[in-house]
Amino acid sequence: GENVEQHPSTLSVQEGDSAVIKCTYSDSASNYFPWYKQELGKGPQLIIDIRSNVGEKKDQRIAVTLNKTAKHFSLHITETQPEDSAVYFCAASIAGSYIPTFGRGTSLIVHP
Amino acid sequence: NAGVTQTPKFRVLKTGQSMTLLCAQDMNHEYMYWYRQDPGMGLRLIHYSVGEGTTAKGEVPDGYNVSRLKKQNFLLGLESAAPSQTSVYFCASSAPGLGYEQYFGPGTRLTVT
Repeated sequence: GENVEQHPSTLSVQEGDSAVIKCTYSDSASNYFPWYKQELGKGPQLIIDIRSNVGEKKDQRIAVTLNKTAKHFSLHITETQPEDSAVYFCAASIAGSYIPTFGRGTSLIVHP
Repeated sequence: NAGVTQTPKFRVLKTGQSMTLLCAQDMNHEYMYWYRQDPGMGLRLIHYSVGEGTTAKGEVPDGYNVSRLKKQNFLLGLESAAPSQTSVYFCASSAPGLGYEQYFGPGTRLTVT
């Protein structure tokens, strides 16, 4: 089955810096890669996703890149703000599968 | 729309007690899931359902049972709680589509003493 590795497990940055979280996946048939943000005391919420026919996608300060050859994808957050502090999960799913495989999460801390 | 709701929000059980966690969604989603979240372990799938009346085992199903008698509800049962089941439980739902984006509930924090 699919295996998703996520790094780092903890990331501490100063407000205004950029943050990058990386994930690798094992199954070349995976074609959907969502990123979820989990704020303290809440459930995860989708913030951005990318499909395998696209190399990069942006939404304001966040972007996701995908390298299918290397089987890795990354979340980029620019101009970080304290409200970006949360746990971020990457996931991968295979075409036609309704069960994603999640990474173990990254705790992002943005210091004011 | 309320989205995905979970009942209760918090619960403390003694070892051996039983309880049922209720998940409800008002988005008419076909698929529903139960996950547990433990520190450093991410989200692990317990059971899932692809439609009313169907259930299937996920990654960590032992000690749990589920039922989906109505499309909008997905129940997670613990017949004899153990301290190892102390965790935060999340329900999620999704609809058929290109990516199956999951919508999560707010979670239930369960402590078994």
